[in-house]
Amino acid sequence: AQRVTQPEKLLSVFKGAPVELKCNYSYSGSPELFWYVQYSRQRLQLLLRHISRESIKGFTADLNKGETSFHLKKPFAQEEDSAMYYCALSGRNQGGKLIFGQGTELSVKP
Amino acid sequence: EPEVTQTPSHQVTQMGQEVILRCVPISNHLYFYWYRQILGQKVEFLVSFYNNEISEKSEIFDDQFSVERPDGSNFTLKIRSTKLEDSAMYFCATQGGGGRLGTDTQYFGPGTRLTVL
Repeated sequence: AQRVTQPEKLLSVFKGAPVELKCNYSYSGSPELFWYVQYSRQRLQLLLRHISRESIKGFTADLNKGETSFHLKKPFAQEEDSAMYYCALSGRNQGGKLIFGQGTELSVKP
Repeated sequence: EPEVTQTPSHQVTQMGQEVILRCVPISNHLYFYWYRQILGQKVEFLVSFYNNEISEKSEIFDDQFSVERPDGSNFTLKIRSTKLEDSAMYFCATQGGGGRLGTDTQYFGPGTRLTVL
């Protein structure tokens, strides 16, 4: 079964603290993994994808095929990072549907 | 930067009525998608569309749903006879395709909130 699991519905941290948003997946094959972010009242935006191995706004995510995980990390959270974060997978990079996790709401307190 | 747009932003309708949700994709994009998110639940795939035909659809996308790209620009989702459980946020997404670097990203519209009374 194709599935993305984000175990935490809400993650609350203080500004400057490290953040890790967990994502595990189940997929038979080699999926493409993504993190999307949704700031208050805005559209879903791509934050990063595993294939590009880049860091965006200080966030990184490493695909661990052994643990089937794609956790999102940031060493020092900022208040403007408060948003909904969705982990998603696709079976192919062209024309493949996205399968989303439940989402994790990140709240960064001053 | 070009964006996907959707209209209307909010649609209220009576059960049994037909609704059409509209999306204007990013120019030159080849793949089109509809997703929905019922309040408090995850974003779910409905249908993908490529080369003027449906390429994949989910179990949710039954005979009450249809999609088309009537004028080569707008991409529409029609629900023929709405039910209470169709109340959700509907997102359109488009993707460049063509195999070029960076064309794997799906760009989302702001969504249409559908309320069925």
